[in-house]
Amino acid sequence: GQQVMQIPQYQHVQEGEDFTTYCNSSTTLSNIQWYKQRPGGHPVFLIQLVKSGEVKKQKRLTFQFGEAKKNSSLHITATQTTDVGTYFCARLAAAGNKLTFGGGTRVLVKP
Amino acid sequence: EPEVTQTPSHQVTQMGQEVILRCVPISNHLYFYWYRQILGQKVEFLVSFYNNEISEKSEIFDDQFSVERPDGSNFTLKIRSTKLEDSAMYFCASRIAGGTDTQYFGPGTRLTVL
Repeated sequence: GQQVMQIPQYQHVQEGEDFTTYCNSSTTLSNIQWYKQRPGGHPVFLIQLVKSGEVKKQKRLTFQFGEAKKNSSLHITATQTTDVGTYFCARLAAAGNKLTFGGGTRVLVKP
Repeated sequence: EPEVTQTPSHQVTQMGQEVILRCVPISNHLYFYWYRQILGQKVEFLVSFYNNEISEKSEIFDDQFSVERPDGSNFTLKIRSTKLEDSAMYFCASRIAGGTDTQYFGPGTRLTVL
């Protein structure tokens, strides 16, 4: 199937440091979405990328879609304890609009 | 801000029993979804629903599962005869027609099958 793979599975970050999580697909993606799930919470939509090479920023979060549209990244600068959670990328299918989620990167922040 | 709501927040049941998980999507949304998340794992698509019928379902969504929109506000997921492996968090999501592709997730129902 058309899966999306995420690395790393876990990320332990010192507060104030930067980190990046990656999402990869073996096939070309028409789009990629990113979600954040706080511990015990539900997925919350962050952003959607559709264009090759697209870069979008939300405060300390920078999202990028690869030129070949086979990978995406989320970079967080100056990590804060509020960034704790699992970050998922997801592929949105055209028909029916089902989301196929990656395995997620679980982020733990050390104060 | 409108939200998707789900009840109950936690359901404990015996293996073989039927359960109904309830969702109230955002009022002007027309596309509805169920996803599940086994503890510590990724979110998995179960089924999508539009115009009073299933538009797509996954391999997980076998004959034991059914969905219904019994009235203008509720969207339900029924599991006829629960198995231990059905224990998971079940999320309902909804989306408005046209325009944005954003799906809004409810808080989830934690289903525990004993």
